[in-house]
Formats: sequence, C-alpha cells, structure tokens
Amino acid sequence: EAGVAQSPRYKIIEKRQSVAFWCNPISGHATLYWYQQILGQGPKLLIQFQNNGVVDDSQLPKDRFSAERLKGVDSTLKIQPAKLEDSAVYLCASSLAAGGPEDTQYFGPGTRLTVL
Amino acid sequence: AQTVTQSQPEMSVQEAETVTLSCTYDTSENNYYLFWYKQPPSRQMILVIRQEAYKQQNATENRFSVNFQKAAKSFSLKISDSQLGDTAMYFCALMEYGNKLVFGAGTILRVKS
Repeated sequence: EAGVAQSPRYKIIEKRQSVAFWCNPISGHATLYWYQQILGQGPKLLIQFQNNGVVDDSQLPKDRFSAERLKGVDSTLKIQPAKLEDSAVYLCASSLAAGGPEDTQYFGPGTRLTVL
Repeated sequence: AQTVTQSQPEMSVQEAETVTLSCTYDTSENNYYLFWYKQPPSRQMILVIRQEAYKQQNATENRFSVNFQKAAKSFSLKISDSQLGDTAMYFCALMEYGNKLVFGAGTILRVKS
C-alpha cells in the first residue's frame, strides 16, 4: 500500500514570496491533516479536512495560509506572503475514517520550508 | 486546554538495554486517548502505541509498553531490548474525544552499539 506522498521535500524562498505544498493521501482515506512542525517542537495541527470539507482550521493563520482539498483527495497548502517564522516542516497525514482517537493517522515525509 | 509535557529533551541507551521516556499531560476531560509516536531521522512519523484513558490495563506492543498513571496524569513509554533502529524522536500526544491531537515537544532517543 502506497503511503502519504508529499512534494516538494525541500523548499527555500525569500520572505514575502509565496509557496505551495502538495499532499496525496493514502487511497480511500477520508480525513486529511496538515501540521506545522517548527524545529524543537511537536507538530501543531493547522487544518483538518474530512472528504473535501473543513473540520478544524482554528490554528490556521488565515491571513497568509490557505488550504484546499478538491474532490476530497489531493490537498494543497499555500503560504502567501511567507514570513521568517514560517520556516518549519509541513507534515501531511491521512486517516481512514472520521478522525477520532481510534483512527490511526499516517504521516507523509514532510516538506522542509526555509524562509530567508 | 490540552497540554503535553516531555521533560527529557534527549536520552541515550545501550543496545539491548531498557529505557523509559517520560510524559505528563493536562486535560479536564475524563475520556481521552494517549499516544506515542516515533519520528526517525527520515521524518516519517509512525504510531508506536495507543492508550485509552478508560482502560486500566497498560497497553503493550511487542518491545514497547506504557505506564499509564491516570491520577498523576503521567504516561511513560518503556522500550525493552533497545535496537539501533529505535533511534528517533519520540512524541507523546493527547487527544480528547472529539478534539485534535496535541503533541509534546519530543524526546530524542539515541541507541548506542
């Protein structure tokens, strides 16, 4: 079974530029998550989708971050404009069902973003 | 609010020995789940073990076991017969039912040969 795919693996941009990350979840997984992992910290949930609807985006900085999950499969996360503090690893995860505690989340390899 | 604290930034252990990673948490809920995740240097995070708060019996998965102390809000991970492949960052995480997964800051574990 193919795992969660993410691209690119690494990205370096200047502050105020825009950037987009792509995630392809495990086939058949209804729930998709984007996490931000700043160096030295645990992952923090940015947004959770169930199919193509948003379940939780309470920690997404909506003035600069946006995310979509068209057709309930692939997802993109965009940052525009980027700030220095956005430097982090962006992790995508997916789970089979509704995202409850018994629903195991499977993580992708992440995209490491460096903002200069 | 959910909080998770891992007080050990780094740990090391000799191959084949046993190591325990500590985690404390705070929640006002009675129903919740606790997790340990492993993140090897390649960065793909995987679930190691899960514990339901309503279960008194500690969860076990092969060489991995937990010591869940609900009253003390403590959830430690014991790794027996440590292997070089256990070298990774370990995250403790908490999920209140119907809420999001909240992670601690992590503990780097190095297994030495």
